[in-house]
Amino acid sequence: DQQVKQNSPSLSVQEGRISILNCDYTNSMFDYFLWYKKYPAEGPTFLISISSIKDKNEDGRFTVFLNKSAKHLSLHIVPSQPGDSAVYFCAASAPEIIFGKGTRLHILP
Amino acid sequence: SQTIHQWPATLVQPVGSPLSLECTVEGTSNPNLYWYRQAAGRGLQLLFYSVGIGQISSEVPQNLSASRPQDRQFILSSKKLLLSDSGFYLCAWGGGGLGGYTFGSGTRLTVV
Repeated sequence: DQQVKQNSPSLSVQEGRISILNCDYTNSMFDYFLWYKKYPAEGPTFLISISSIKDKNEDGRFTVFLNKSAKHLSLHIVPSQPGDSAVYFCAASAPEIIFGKGTRLHILP
Repeated sequence: SQTIHQWPATLVQPVGSPLSLECTVEGTSNPNLYWYRQAAGRGLQLLFYSVGIGQISSEVPQNLSASRPQDRQFILSSKKLLLSDSGFYLCAWGGGGLGGYTFGSGTRLTVV
């Protein structure tokens, strides 16, 4: 049974607009949540994380929101840029890191 | 600075052949090391992790094994590959938490 779920396999967003990637989890004991970005044929790179005691963390164009009551987190990218086109993985620390299946983000010109 | 090396980048192997993928980490000592696999249509699945030399934990039963002969070396092996072993294999190191893990560049394994 998947503990970290990304229900949207892909998402297309116009350049300059906001990209919102969603993630749901089932285990309320997760300590940290993370987002990774992955280009084809490369390893994932760490993007941003949030502690389970926080509800928001911001780093430049990237903001992660955590809603513990709903067991939901989201990644906001604003403004979206062409280089943001990649697969984004949501992950949770248990303490080993468990990943979702990923969402492919396409930034349209 | 810490770096992680993984090779080869691509590998095509026949069914039934052995496998050995190597991962080394530089710039840190006694790292936690991990092997993940990304199969088609699936996320990143944790296969093995190691907290020290000779200490291996397996997350899923499978046709693969892992070894840690040295502090900064982690090896993924198989005696006889199956078609289902095809995938993108990633080595990672790190303590988890807010910093997550650092991943290598991956090995694309195709079993034919």
